[in-house]
Amino acid sequence: QKEVEQNSGPLSVPEGAIASLNCTYSDRGSQSFFWYRQYSGKSPELIMFIYSNGDKEDGRFTAQLNKASQYVSLLIRDSQPSDSATYLCAVHASGGSYIPTFGRGTSLIVHP
Amino acid sequence: DVKVTQSSRYLVKRTGEKVFLECVQDMDHENMFWYRQDPGLGLRLIYFSYDVKMKEKGDIPEGYSVSREKKERFSLILESASTNQTSMYLCASSLSRNSYTEAFFGQGTRLTVV
Repeated sequence: QKEVEQNSGPLSVPEGAIASLNCTYSDRGSQSFFWYRQYSGKSPELIMFIYSNGDKEDGRFTAQLNKASQYVSLLIRDSQPSDSATYLCAVHASGGSYIPTFGRGTSLIVHP
Repeated sequence: DVKVTQSSRYLVKRTGEKVFLECVQDMDHENMFWYRQDPGLGLRLIYFSYDVKMKEKGDIPEGYSVSREKKERFSLILESASTNQTSMYLCASSLSRNSYTEAFFGQGTRLTVV
């Protein structure tokens, strides 16, 4: 069973701070990694994806991947109350799998 | 924009009923998925399909079946609903069978079995 682990939180940060969300995965050959945001009562939507080791930046979001440590993270700079949501890490397994395996999600609360 | 539409937002069914959850996508995606989402358990894959009439079991297929007669439509069937199937059901689709394709989700169906 391929596993994706996230701290369920909640992670509480003040407005304007950096929120750091972490995810580890068990399948060493995993090739692609996705972060989805899910607001309460809504469905998940993609915010970032990363395939190569290192950092990938998109606006206030940075995804970081370290395949040797089997670790992927999402940083949210200048956090806003509107960022309050559950963040789901999804991993596609080795062998070119197109099937996302999701972590249980981390709840983020950004307080004014 | 990709649109994935689930037929119902809320459903209440009785124990033992046969339940159909319908999902339609409008972007000619190859892959379609059914997940259930429960507090503390995250998203768990029930079934998926990579082509018309093709289906594969996910992690928790017991008590469920699926049908994909047309490329755009993927149905989840609860043969005999039970209270432990009360959950949020999410349908998703993705473009192709490679590792770099994102999933697009429907709005979800909250099913209550009484």
